[in-house]
Amino acid sequence: EAGVTQFPSHSVIEKGQTVTLRCDPISGHDNLYWYRRVMGKEIKFLLHFVKESKQDESGMPNNRFLAERTGGTYSTLKVQPAELEDSGVYFCASSLQGTHYGYTFGSGTRLTVV
Amino acid sequence: KNQVEQSPQSLIILEGKNCTLQCNYTVSPFSNLRWYKQDTGRGPVSLTIMTFSENTKSNGRYTATLDADTKQSSLHITASQLSDSASYICVVSPYGNKLVFGAGTILRVKS
Repeated sequence: EAGVTQFPSHSVIEKGQTVTLRCDPISGHDNLYWYRRVMGKEIKFLLHFVKESKQDESGMPNNRFLAERTGGTYSTLKVQPAELEDSGVYFCASSLQGTHYGYTFGSGTRLTVV
Repeated sequence: KNQVEQSPQSLIILEGKNCTLQCNYTVSPFSNLRWYKQDTGRGPVSLTIMTFSENTKSNGRYTATLDADTKQSSLHITASQLSDSASYICVVSPYGNKLVFGAGTILRVKS
């Protein structure tokens, strides 16, 4: 079984540019989550999709972040325009419907804004 | 102040030795408490999951304990191996689906 796949693994962009991160969850997992870890801090929740619907986006830092999950399969997280403080590692995770026991994380995308 | 505090921040031990990592949390109520291992450049991987009614859970050389009264958990690693070098993260899950992470303990096992 393929795990959670994230792309790209690394991205370096200039302040003010746009970056789009992609996450492919485990097939059949309706729940998809985005988390991020900024330098020196703990991993923090960003948002949660159930299929294509946003269940909880309370962790999204501001309106420069836009997450989508069209069709309820893969998800994208766009940062526009990127700021220096957006640098960090962005993790995606997925789990089966109705449970968060099978929470599986991807390897993350390391974003550096310069 | 984070709702999940871990100690120590980092730890160095010799191969073959045991160690215990600590986690204190204030998240309440909660559904379950997890310990994750995160290797450099990888995502977190679940080691143990305990509900509030469980006191202990083992996974090979890893044993987690939970005291829901004092809101403390520990992860004990027995007979450490070089491959145990990683960050160990305590994670509390409130009711709902999002996870609350500690900052992690960085463990380095030396030969």
